[in-house]
Amino acid sequence: GQQLNQSPQSMFIQEGEDVSMNCTSSSIFNTWLWYKQDPGEGPVLLIALYKAGELTSNGRLTAQFGITRKDSFLNISASIPSDVGIYFCAGHTTAGNNRKLIWGLGTSLAVNP
Amino acid sequence: DGGITQSPKYLFRKEGQNVTLSCEQNLNHDAMYWYRQDPGQGLRLIYYSQIVNDFQKGDIAEGYSVSREKKESFPLTVTSAQKNPTAFYLCASSLWGDQPQHFGDGTRLSIL
Repeated sequence: GQQLNQSPQSMFIQEGEDVSMNCTSSSIFNTWLWYKQDPGEGPVLLIALYKAGELTSNGRLTAQFGITRKDSFLNISASIPSDVGIYFCAGHTTAGNNRKLIWGLGTSLAVNP
Repeated sequence: DGGITQSPKYLFRKEGQNVTLSCEQNLNHDAMYWYRQDPGQGLRLIYYSQIVNDFQKGDIAEGYSVSREKKESFPLTVTSAQKNPTAFYLCASSLWGDQPQHFGDGTRLSIL
């Protein structure tokens, strides 16, 4: 199935650093979603974006829906140890069956206290 | 509390057996989904259902079956035809349309 290009694949940072990750696609998207998954748990929705150019924050997290509608980024400011996990982007495209989410392969984040 | 409940958390299957994973939601969501996640991998869609008594194959439906007799429930059966069933299985639900999916805590299936 179709997938998003999510990068970086993994990150290892020091506590207090800012983090940035992004997703790109060759297709136009109607929505962009960012999830976090802790080990052995299901993904939890962090931020949902619905309009091109939309910039939304959730605490220390900020995400944007790219103007071209083909990309999105997630920033985490002042990272803390509990930010450790896998971050997934996902979205609904304008093509085909938009009831299905298209998923990135995830960014694994490790934070050194 | 509203949410999605998956059970059991851990499940073991013998070779040649069918096993059924439970997924129940009390969010009044129309759509429900089953995903498979392998170690270090993303989520792959097995089956999804947009309304009761209707469901569609996802990207990796072979060796799996589902039913949607009630809005709240979407059980997944891993059949003996699935040759590599060891994985983490995630159930999700959402409102109709381009709405975010919300996930249960998953079931980890292993082969004895």
